[in-house]
Amino acid sequence: DAGVIQSPRHEVTEMGQEVTLRCKPISGHNSLFWYRQTMMRGLELLIYFNNNVPIDDSGMPEDRFSAKMPNASFSTLKIQPSEPRDSAVYFCASSLVVLETQYFGPGTRLLVL
Amino acid sequence: KNEVEQSPQNLTAQEGEFITINCSYSVGISALHWLQQHPGGGIVSLFMLSSGKKKHGRLIATINIQEKHSSLHITASHPRDSAVYICAVRLNNDMRFGAGTRLTVKP
Repeated sequence: DAGVIQSPRHEVTEMGQEVTLRCKPISGHNSLFWYRQTMMRGLELLIYFNNNVPIDDSGMPEDRFSAKMPNASFSTLKIQPSEPRDSAVYFCASSLVVLETQYFGPGTRLLVL
Repeated sequence: KNEVEQSPQNLTAQEGEFITINCSYSVGISALHWLQQHPGGGIVSLFMLSSGKKKHGRLIATINIQEKHSSLHITASHPRDSAVYICAVRLNNDMRFGAGTRLTVKP
């Protein structure tokens, strides 16, 4: 298996632009997690899906952030409009079921100028 | 006070030494994860624990639910073990992360 796939690996954009991050979980995994990592705040859980349904989005910073999982093999995290403080590494992870080992993607390094 | 506290923050060891990293938490949890983040940024999940002890190669993780404490041990440490080790606890629908322990193993 290719593991969790994230794209793009790097993104540089200007403040105010829309940013879309993509994630393909490991085939057969039913849970998908979006995390953000910054120097100041460390790792944070943004949202997770179970069987394509968002379970808890209380970690999503604000309304500018939205996440979707239209099918079992694809999820997006969108930031609109982006701000410099959104600069971070965004990780996607998947697991067979919620309370099992999570497998992390390589991350998307986002820089908002 | 952080809900998840790790110690030490930084650790330098000589190759071959036995390493212990500690994690204490202040809330009731359903599971605890130990993650390894390599210098390049990639994250690997090492263990997920809800009780007892798990072993994988030179790595051992233990958890004491009553004392709200977990330890990660590395036996016969090697320079390739150099990484940041992160403790994460699962509370219902949320997760909380420790600040990480930066381990450097010198040859």
